[in-house]
Amino acid sequence: GEDVEQSLFLSVREGDSSVINCTYTDSSSTYLYWYKQEPGAGLQLLTYIFSNMDMKQDQRLTVLLNKKDKHLSLRIADTQTGDSAIYFCAESLTGNTPLVFGKGTRLSVIA
Amino acid sequence: GAGVSQSPSNKVTEKGKDVELRCDPISGHTALYWYRQSLGQGLEFLIYFQGNSAPDKSGLPSDRFSAERTGGSVSTLTIQRTQQEDSAVYLCASSPDRLNYGYTFGSGTRLTVV
Repeated sequence: GEDVEQSLFLSVREGDSSVINCTYTDSSSTYLYWYKQEPGAGLQLLTYIFSNMDMKQDQRLTVLLNKKDKHLSLRIADTQTGDSAIYFCAESLTGNTPLVFGKGTRLSVIA
Repeated sequence: GAGVSQSPSNKVTEKGKDVELRCDPISGHTALYWYRQSLGQGLEFLIYFQGNSAPDKSGLPSDRFSAERTGGSVSTLTIQRTQQEDSAVYLCASSPDRLNYGYTFGSGTRLTVV
């Protein structure tokens, strides 16, 4: 079955880059997502990538996909205190199957 | 509506009581999903609706859990005879028919069973 793994914690200094990593087991996954959850809030979609892409950039966010290793990463440039949150990686086999989420990586930004 | 709305935002109930959690998706979104978020456990898929039908109920943890959706819009998740292990945040999400851009989540209902 599908499984998504993430490290649970990451701490970085303000202004540095953050890299959050994720591995998934199902090579058939066609859609991969990053969500952000701030305290007391629901999940907010940050970005997504299709499996036929290997990189996507959106302002301070860069997503890298290594299909061979089934590894997805999210890089946040110039990390700010407002980026402190839990970041979830998710995969979906098709456009209509439920997303499978990792347990989330808690990012702490130190001023 | 402009976003996914869930009610109540917080619910405290006694063990053994039944609870109903409501989700009002974005207007026009045909797909609706329920997830459960427990401390340290990530997001656990519960059930998925396409229109009013539920093609995938595989995540419901027991027969105490049920959900329905009417009019292709509002959904209700019902937990009967609540147990302490049901305490969690219950998140609802909706998406257009084609899931190219991911879900839009509500803020969740925090359920505490005492």
